[in-house]
Amino acid sequence: QVQLVESGGGVVQPGRSLTLSCAASGFTFGSFDMHWVRQAPGKGLEWLAVIGHNGSNKYYAKSVKGRLSISRDNSKSLLYLSMNSLTTEDTAIYYCIIYGSGTLGFDYWGQGTLVSVSS
Amino acid sequence: QSVLTQPPSAPGTPGQRVTISCSGSSSNIGNNYVFWYQQLPGTAPKLLIYRNNERPSGVPNRFSGSKSGTSASLAISGLRSEDEGNYYCAARDDGLSGWVFGGGTKVTVL
Repeated sequence: QVQLVESGGGVVQPGRSLTLSCAASGFTFGSFDMHWVRQAPGKGLEWLAVIGHNGSNKYYAKSVKGRLSISRDNSKSLLYLSMNSLTTEDTAIYYCIIYGSGTLGFDYWGQGTLVSVSS
Repeated sequence: QSVLTQPPSAPGTPGQRVTISCSGSSSNIGNNYVFWYQQLPGTAPKLLIYRNNERPSGVPNRFSGSKSGTSASLAISGLRSEDEGNYYCAARDDGLSGWVFGGGTKVTVL
């Protein structure tokens, strides 16, 4: 069955950097575009970034452009999100998501990893 | 402030029909598909409606979506206690070159 397992979250100090990982299984990872979406505690959803199935196309939300970098390793079925210059406003659950080529929507979401930015 | 506008809450009684609105603009809902996601307490969001009014397999036909112009709506008929949670609309936004969400609507079964 499809599985997306995010990791790499935790408590980090303001101004530091962090890289999140998403391990995919149960589907042909290299055939799907992948997204990251986050959710601050008690708040709504915020789209962050997308990467094409072969890694050649990347797009970012304007609110985070320049601080975030999305990448993937299709040989290992891994998706990454690197974040720098973290602030308290980056505190959130970060979800990796499969983009459905049929539905054209966010087909399947991982359980998320919590990032807490605090001194 | 979310790009797409949803009411913060939508209460209902068991068996009732509840409708959630989602308002946008020509750069998002007006020219793109609308999607709805259901987030039950303590869980990750799940795709509920895609391409305005299509249901993924396994989603009950009690859930239906519609779109008109720059607005969309989600209807839940025969409301059940297990429907309690937050519902989000989403669409691509051509002006922002990305995806936007509504602020979410909390459905409460009284």
